[in-house]
Order: sequence, then structure tokens, then C-alpha cells
Amino acid sequence: GENVEQHPSTLSVQEGDSAVIKCTYSDSASNYFPWYKQELGKRPQLIIDIRSNVGEKKDQRIAVTLNKTAKHFSLHITETQPEDSAVYFCAASIYMDSNYQLIWGAGTKLIIKP
Amino acid sequence: GAGVSQSPSNKVTEKGKDVELRCDPISGHTALYWYRQSLGQGLEFLIYFQGNSAPDKSGLPSDRFSAERTGGSVSTLTIQRTQQEDSAVYLCASSLNHRGDTEAFFGQGTRLTVV
Repeated sequence: GENVEQHPSTLSVQEGDSAVIKCTYSDSASNYFPWYKQELGKRPQLIIDIRSNVGEKKDQRIAVTLNKTAKHFSLHITETQPEDSAVYFCAASIYMDSNYQLIWGAGTKLIIKP
Repeated sequence: GAGVSQSPSNKVTEKGKDVELRCDPISGHTALYWYRQSLGQGLEFLIYFQGNSAPDKSGLPSDRFSAERTGGSVSTLTIQRTQQEDSAVYLCASSLNHRGDTEAFFGQGTRLTVV
């Protein structure tokens, strides 16, 4: 079946440095790629998303890039801060049984070291 | 506005008992997902409802698990004869799901503990 692979599973970076999380997807028809942040004990929340008609999107310190040919997309966080510590999930929409569904990556635990 | 609401927030049950978990999606959202999340783990897909289509039940781990969505709105996830390994946070999410724009909004989850 269709799947989304996410790497790394854990990422530790020094405060102020950049963090990059990568995902690959298998369905070439996927057209929507969101990233969610889940802080400890809280629900996942959307932080940024990208659609298949653009290659990059930025929102302050976070950005997402999409390479449709290679079927991968990445989350970039610059100037990391302690509050960026969380688990990040990527997802891709797939078209299945006449409907769109989100397929999720396994998550990346981001640790910001002071 | 109102978000996705789940009840109860916490549920402690004895092994072997049945439990029902409830999800109230955002009004107008046609898609509804149930996920299970064990401590420190990812989102384990359970079931997906989309409008009047037959649900995608491919993620249900055993026949002890079932879910319904009445009138295209509220959903209940039922776990029969609960086992200790069923202990986890159960998350519900809904989305408008228009032309593949599938931003999912999550509820706060139900923490299930089987003792």
C-alpha cells in the first residue's frame, strides 16, 4: 500500500542551529503535504503545509520544500529555540477508493539543546 | 469556533470490559479519522470515514475494535473485552476534505487505561 517514510526518528540540535526533517512518499498522485507539531501531552497541530503546485513555502522560521520528481518533502526550522522541542509528523494525501486520505510518517522527536 | 471534541478525556477500565469513546467533529467536516497513539509513539491509523462512502477499516487491530459514524457527524469507537495492550491515547481528527485539501484538526484525545 501507499506509505510515507520519515527520517530521522530523533534529531538533537544546538539552540540556534537549523533542523531538517525529511519525508518520502510513494503515491505520485499525492497533492497535499502538511507538517504537524505535537508537544508533550498535547494534540498534533498543523504548522505548515504545501500543495503540489509549488516547490517551497516559508512562514517565519519554518519552511517546507517539495520535490515531486523525487517524491520527497522536507521541513526546515532555522534559528531553533527551546519551544521547538516536540514531535513532528509529516503526512501526504493519497487518493484511495474515490476519496482523499492522509497517510502519516512515523514522527521525528526534535530535541533542542540549550 | 468549536473544534473537535472527544469524550471522555480519561477512561480507566477493567480488563475484559467494553468501552465507548466519542468524537464530535467540526461541523461540516466530511472526513473523520481515528488514531491510536501509545506513549512516545506515532499515529497508528485505525479507521477513516468519508461522507457516505464505506469506511476504511484497514487499521483496526482486531475484531474487538469497531466504529460507527451516525448521520455523518458524531463517531463512536468501541473496544470490546479490553486488554492491557489497548491502553493508549485515542485521537480523533476531522477535515473538510475538499478536493484533497485535507488539513486535519485533532481532538484532545481520550487516554484509555486498562487495569
